[in-house]
Amino acid sequence: AQRVTQPEKLLSVFKGAPVELKCNYSYSGSPELFWYVQYSRQRLQLLLRHISRESIKGFTADLNKGETSFHLKKPFAQEEDSAMYYCALSIPSGTYKYIFGTGTRLKVLA
Amino acid sequence: DGGITQSPKYLFRKEGQNVTLSCEQNLNHDAMYWYRQDPGQGLRLIYYSQIVNDFQKGDIAEGYSVSREKKESFPLTVTSAQKNPTAFYLCASSPTPGLNEQFFGPGTRLTVL
Repeated sequence: AQRVTQPEKLLSVFKGAPVELKCNYSYSGSPELFWYVQYSRQRLQLLLRHISRESIKGFTADLNKGETSFHLKKPFAQEEDSAMYYCALSIPSGTYKYIFGTGTRLKVLA
Repeated sequence: DGGITQSPKYLFRKEGQNVTLSCEQNLNHDAMYWYRQDPGQGLRLIYYSQIVNDFQKGDIAEGYSVSREKKESFPLTVTSAQKNPTAFYLCASSPTPGLNEQFFGPGTRLTVL
């Protein structure tokens, strides 16, 4: 069955420290993977998607098919990065579903 | 913001009553989705629709019903059969199903008393 796992419910780091939010997936096909972010009192919104291979707000994520991972990284955390982060898997055929992980709350401490 | 709206923001209902949550989008998106967001459980898919007059059950459809009579509207009814309806409900849309990012509404918090 398709599944997205985010092992950390809460990740606390100090400002300026590197950040890595983990995401592992199980899917036998070619995955479409996304990271969504929800800042306090704001809507859930797309942060980045793997096919874009771009850096948004200093965040990057690389798809590792061998390890079935799509970890989100940022070299230097900022206080404004504090938010809830969700990894999501999109199934582009058949059921056309999206599967979300349980989310990781990132707290960046001053 | 804009594009996808949900109403109301807060909703209170007595146990045993059906309640309908509104979701409207003016983005001309084909696909629409309903999720339930509970602490520690992420987003769980209730129902989704790839096109008008068609919809499929998600992972937790029991006790819920939907309709998709118009492209821009995808209302969710929480019935009395739903055992634990108090939750935060999110609606989303995407241009085509399964390929694009999803655009989310602001959510509706339903509390059943």
